[in-house]
Amino acid sequence: DIQMTQSPSSLSASVGDRVTITCRASQTIGRYLNWYQQKPGEAPKVLIYAASSLLSGVPSRFSGSGSGTDFTLTISSLQPEDFATYFCQQSYSSPVLTFGGGTKVEIK
Amino acid sequence: QGQLVESGGGVVQPGGSLRLSCEGSGFAFSSHGIHWVRQAPGKGQEWVAFIQYDAIEKSYADSVKGRFTISRDNSRNTLYLQMNSLRREDTAVYYCARDRIAVAGDSYYYYLDLWGKGTTVAVSS
Repeated sequence: DIQMTQSPSSLSASVGDRVTITCRASQTIGRYLNWYQQKPGEAPKVLIYAASSLLSGVPSRFSGSGSGTDFTLTISSLQPEDFATYFCQQSYSSPVLTFGGGTKVEIK
Repeated sequence: QGQLVESGGGVVQPGGSLRLSCEGSGFAFSSHGIHWVRQAPGKGQEWVAFIQYDAIEKSYADSVKGRFTISRDNSRNTLYLQMNSLRREDTAVYYCARDRIAVAGDSYYYYLDLWGKGTTVAVSS
């Protein structure tokens, strides 16, 4: 099975900060990597698919990069509504999916 | 865009059974594969099972294989997860999520574009 390791597990940041979250796959997965945002009590929301393709309606301050085993989610200027948990997910072995452990972004 | 709503969660003793439901609305339910994903307390998401749009293909995580059964009734726009022989480690919030495909050149990229808010299962004596 493909394992996904996400870091950090949590971070504290201020509004306006640049935030970077990384996700590493245990084997090469090409660009089959998706990023999601989840707020407490809400359903997860997909932000990025295929490593760097932004879903329609997702603010441009979110971006994704990487291929192979190493991937990054970047929030260029953190906004109040961005405080949430973010997690990655590989679809290389779809329909068998695996997820990263999540990164909780908290207010500093 | 649509909506998915899970139900059927509750408290059950180890060894017991529970059936979860996921009702879809506002989209062509019968055209989409759907996954069950769970999140145990303090843990990340864990994929549980998948069923293709026409129920021909089904897949299960090793942790639930032989105990859980995924099914769907497209006439009722409803997905099910029959959970038997429940263990304490099955305690989690269970989400259903719609499979979406994006095509780029020769590549097919899958992602989960619609999720429910989840239903909570607690396995405890």
